[in-house]
Formats: sequence, structure tokens, C-alpha cells
Amino acid sequence: ETGVTQSPTHLIKTRGQQVTLRCSSQSGHNTVSWYQQALGQGPQFIFQYYREEENGRGNFPPRFSGLQFPNYSSELNVNALELDDSALYLCASSLKQTSTDTQYFGPGTRLTVL
Amino acid sequence: AQSVTQLGSHVSVSEGALVLLRCNYSSSVPPYLFWYVQYPNQGLQLLLKYTSAATLVKGINGFEAEFKKSETSFHLTKPSAHMSDAAEYFCAVSEGTGFQKLVFGTGTRLLVSP
Repeated sequence: ETGVTQSPTHLIKTRGQQVTLRCSSQSGHNTVSWYQQALGQGPQFIFQYYREEENGRGNFPPRFSGLQFPNYSSELNVNALELDDSALYLCASSLKQTSTDTQYFGPGTRLTVL
Repeated sequence: AQSVTQLGSHVSVSEGALVLLRCNYSSSVPPYLFWYVQYPNQGLQLLLKYTSAATLVKGINGFEAEFKKSETSFHLTKPSAHMSDAAEYFCAVSEGTGFQKLVFGTGTRLLVSP
């Protein structure tokens, strides 16, 4: 069974640019969540996708957007990058989107904005 | 909104000593609580979760946690620390209607000395 994978591992961008991060969910999982983890902090929820629809969102501006594909893989897009967007971006997949379900995390993509 | 507080950003123990990592929650409804571990340059791995069944929850790698409603706590313990337990530990509470959002604490770094 393949776990959650993310690409790329590291990324360096400059302020104002756009970035796309990718995530492949664990086999059989139809729900994907994205989190931002700033240095020294706990992960912060960005949004969740269930069956290709965004079904929940945290306190992030609209320049953070996403997609989920029919195979349940997902993308996180960030436009107009700011220095504060530098963080580890974590993708997590789960079987369902209920409160008791376990979210399985990928290794993350480390984004540096210069 | 629900939240968790982790007391102590760093905890140091000797190998073989008891590990105690503290987590207190704030919730207006019965909470669903999780403990995750993060090793350097990796994603998060689930240690255990409380979903209102047994109050004493056993997890992987010898860890366990006890849900105490009267104290609003969900502390993580392990009887005997091993060098490989050195990592960052996050407590999280699940919230959201129609979706699952994990709200994480700020984390506790466990240092294990020989």
C-alpha cells in the first residue's frame, strides 16, 4: 500500500510568483486536506477536498486555492507569493471526512519565498 | 472554536525515564483528540486517537494517553523513553461540520539523553 506522497520536496520562489504543490493520496482515500506549518509552529488547516469539491476552508486568503482530481490526487496553488508563505506544506488523506477519521500525512513540501 | 494547549515547548528526559507530554483542550462539545509525532524533515505520524470509546488509549511505540474530562486533559505518556523517541509531538482536536479540520497545538520537542 502506497502512502501519501508530495512533490516537489523543496521549492524556492520569489515574492509575487505563483506556485503549485502536488499530492497523491493513499490508495482508497477520497479526502485530501492541506496544512501550512510555519517554522516552530503546529500545522494550520488550509482546506479540505472531498470527491473533487472543496468542503471546508480555514482562515487563508483566496490566493490559496486547490484542486482535486478524479483519481483523488490534489494540487495546492498559491498566487502572489508573500515572504510569510515560507513554510512546510503538508498534505493529508483520509477515508472519509468525519471528525473521528485518521488523516495520514505526507512528508511535506518546503517552500521558501525570497 | 476548539483549541488545544501544549505546556512546555521542550521536554528533556533520560533514556529509560518516564515520558509525560501535556495537552489540555478547550471544547464546548465532546472532543475527538489526536497525538501525532513528527521526526526531523518528515510529515506527521499518528500515535493514537480518542474518539469517546475507552478513556485510556494505547498507541504505537509504547505510547498511551488518558482522556480526563474533569481536567480537560489528554496527556501523552510512555513508561520508558528510548533514544528513537526524540521528535516533535503535536496534540490536535478535530472540528468541522461536514468536513474534518485538525486544530493543532504548538508542539513539544522531546529530547532524550543517554
